[in-house]
Amino acid sequence: DTGVSQDPRHKITKRGQNVTFRCDPISEHNRLYWYRQTLGQGPEFLTYFQNEAQLEKSRLLSDRFSAERPKGSFSTLEIQRTEQGDSAMYLCASILAGASNTGELFFGEGSRLTVL
Amino acid sequence: AQSVTQLGSHVSVSEGALVLLRCNYSSSVPPYLFWYVQYPNQGLQLLLKYTSAATLVKGINGFEAEFKKSETSFHLTKPSAHMSDAAEYFCAVRGGQNFVFGPGTRLSVLP
Repeated sequence: DTGVSQDPRHKITKRGQNVTFRCDPISEHNRLYWYRQTLGQGPEFLTYFQNEAQLEKSRLLSDRFSAERPKGSFSTLEIQRTEQGDSAMYLCASILAGASNTGELFFGEGSRLTVL
Repeated sequence: AQSVTQLGSHVSVSEGALVLLRCNYSSSVPPYLFWYVQYPNQGLQLLLKYTSAATLVKGINGFEAEFKKSETSFHLTKPSAHMSDAAEYFCAVRGGQNFVFGPGTRLSVLP
């Protein structure tokens, strides 16, 4: 169990550029979540996948944001035409979803985005 | 719908003093509740969780929390603070497939 890994850890970009973040969940986990966290705030839900299916999206996920999990393993989160308001930490988390609903999320270290 | 409030965005205690971080929740279904800790520039790490078994839950690093249904609370405590406890603490409630987090409480430990 190598844990949840995210790449890159830090990204600085200019406004208007596109950025992509990658998340590799714990290998046996079938559910993957993306959260956004701004300074001094708690994580805010963006979207989650059950295997390769994207089952729920937050209204925070504007049309500039797209997430995929093509083979039910790693996931990518792309932000197009970045804005300064997109500056945040993007957190990925995974969980083995099954008959028991008592499990907790396992988080990666996060990808910090700074838009200049 | 589920929601979480954490009273006190910043709490300061002296080393060796009692730590009390407050969490109140709202849930339309029997809740599963969690406390996570976050150190600077890192992800969230689970401290403890309540899953409808014992109402007093013990976690890592000497932390514990008590579920009180009548008060809709799940406060986090530690008898004696250590310098290494300085971090951001988040309470979360799971309802269905989603996890909703509170705004967090930053704990400072003074020497």
